[in-house]
Order: sequence, then C-alpha cells, then structure tokens
Amino acid sequence: GEDVEQSLFLSVREGDSSVINCTYTDSSSTYLYWYKQEPGAGLQLLTYIFSNMDMKQDQRLTVLLNKKDKHLSLRIADTQTGDSAIYFCAESMGNTPLVFGKGTRLSVIA
Amino acid sequence: DADVTQTPRNRITKTGKRIMLECSQTKGHDRMYWYRQDPGLGLRLIYYSFDVKDINKGEISDGYSVSRQAQAKFSLSLESAIPNQTALYFCATSDPGLASSEQFFGPGTRLTVL
Repeated sequence: GEDVEQSLFLSVREGDSSVINCTYTDSSSTYLYWYKQEPGAGLQLLTYIFSNMDMKQDQRLTVLLNKKDKHLSLRIADTQTGDSAIYFCAESMGNTPLVFGKGTRLSVIA
Repeated sequence: DADVTQTPRNRITKTGKRIMLECSQTKGHDRMYWYRQDPGLGLRLIYYSFDVKDINKGEISDGYSVSRQAQAKFSLSLESAIPNQTALYFCATSDPGLASSEQFFGPGTRLTVL
C-alpha cells in the first residue's frame, strides 16, 4: 500500500538552511509534491518533481529525489520567520488522489 | 477571488446533528476531493469524485456521505455528527490535463462537534 512518512517537527534558526525529509513506499509514483500550510490556511503547492528527475531548484527551494531509496527532501535556504508552517510531502500515481504524509511543523527561531 | 471556496468556515454543532459542508470551485476542474486534517495525522481522504457521475470512497468514509451536484459543487455530509469528527475539513480540486497533476485546496472548514 501507499505510505508517506515524514518527521513531525523541525526547528531551525533564522538564516540557516532547513531540510525536511520524506520517504514513500510506492515505486510507481509519478509526481512528488511539497505543500505548505500556514496557520489558519489551506494547503498551497510549493513545488513538485517528476519521478524521472533527481533535483529541482526554485529560488530558495531545492528538491532532491532519490528513487532508489524512495527518499524526497526539501531544502529551504536562508530560512526566514515567514517560512514557519507545516510542510506536507505527497505522492501521486497520476490518476489517483494524492497521498499525504503527516506533515512536518517547521519552527524558525529568530 | 478564491478559486475553491468552502462554507461555512467554522461550525460548532452537537452530537447527533446532521451537518453539510459545501465546496464550490470556479477552476472548471472535473476532479474534487474531501479530506480531513487532524493534528499529527496529516490529511486523510474521505471521498473523491472524478466527474459528476463518479463518487469514490477514500480512506475514512465511514460516517460521511457526499453529493456531486454539478461540476463545480461537491458537498460533504455528516448524517449524525459525533465528537471524533471534530477536525479541519478541506476540499480540493484537480485537472488531470495539468502537467503537474497537483491538487488545489480550499481554505478549510473547522468543525467542532460537542
């Protein structure tokens, strides 16, 4: 079955890099996603990576995908207080609903 | 001008009451979803619909029902609410034609069952 795992909490100092990790079990995943949920709000897509890619960079965000280990990570460079949120990893097989991890709560200490 | 809207945004009700949560979208997407979010449990899929005539159970459909009244509307009902249905409920939409296959989320409905 599908399962997406991620640690529940991460705390970093402002200006440092944050790395949020995720593992998934379904090797047939087509896309992998990172969503951000700010307090009191819905989920917004941060970035996604197609399963045939190893890396994707978008400004301060870097996504790394290791298909062999079924491991996905999100690196946020120069973390700011506005990055404090819950980050969800999700996978898709293309024609099915997304399967979400439990979310990692990122706390940024000023 | 939100693309996915949910009403109400907050609701407090009593055990045994029937509750309907509504979702509307202006994105023109065929696919719609209902999730619930509980602290530490992430998002769990309740029901989903790939078009107006299609309804599918998700991971935790017991105690819930849905209605897809039109392409733009997908309602979630709790026939007889119970306290452990207290949660944050999200509606989402998607378009299989998009390269990313991403889902777009509404702002959520916070439901409290006393």
